[in-house]
Amino acid sequence: DAGVTQSPTHLIKTRGQQVTLRCSPKSGHDTVSWYQQALGQGPQFIFQYYEEEERQRGNFPDRFSGHQFPNYSSELNVNALLLGDSALYLCASSSTTGGIATNEKLFFGSGTQLSVL
Amino acid sequence: TQLLEQSPQFLSIQEGENLTVYCNSSSVFSSLQWYRQEPGEGPVLLVTVVTGGEVKKLKRLTFQFGDARKDSSLHITAAQPGDTGLYLCAGRETSGSRLTFGEGTQLTVNP
Repeated sequence: DAGVTQSPTHLIKTRGQQVTLRCSPKSGHDTVSWYQQALGQGPQFIFQYYEEEERQRGNFPDRFSGHQFPNYSSELNVNALLLGDSALYLCASSSTTGGIATNEKLFFGSGTQLSVL
Repeated sequence: TQLLEQSPQFLSIQEGENLTVYCNSSSVFSSLQWYRQEPGEGPVLLVTVVTGGEVKKLKRLTFQFGDARKDSSLHITAAQPGDTGLYLCAGRETSGSRLTFGEGTQLTVNP
């Protein structure tokens, strides 16, 4: 049973470019959350997708957008990259019951390390 | 936005020593989780505490949730080099499902 898989594992971009990161949730999970983890910091919540819709969003600009597909996989898109966007981007999957996420266990992928030069 | 403060930020100890990591907030959380993260990997959930005053034990690790559900601690007994890693606390808001993470405590256990 595969866990959460993310691709690519590493990515180098230049300022102003756009990037798409991908995530496949753990089998049986329907909810995907994205986090940004800067070096030496804890993960910061970007947004969460459930039933192909953005359910919650953290304090990130509109340059950060996402999508969830019918098979529950998800993409994170970042436009107009800035140097400060360099970070480890983590995807976490979980299961939502009856549309309510309470104390569900999150499973994290290994992340995509994005470097913006 | 609810904030979680972890202390200490860095901890370097010798094998066999005991240690405690603290996670504090001025806000109330419906539950609090502790994760461990190793380099190049995502965080791995260690425990979830839900009830104020709750104590959970996982082998040599003891987790406690404060009575007011605003703070938590992680105590490790007889630390081993394999305990080395970044320990993160994360609180779930009373409404919704987003997790707020602390800054983490980088633990190094020297043999």
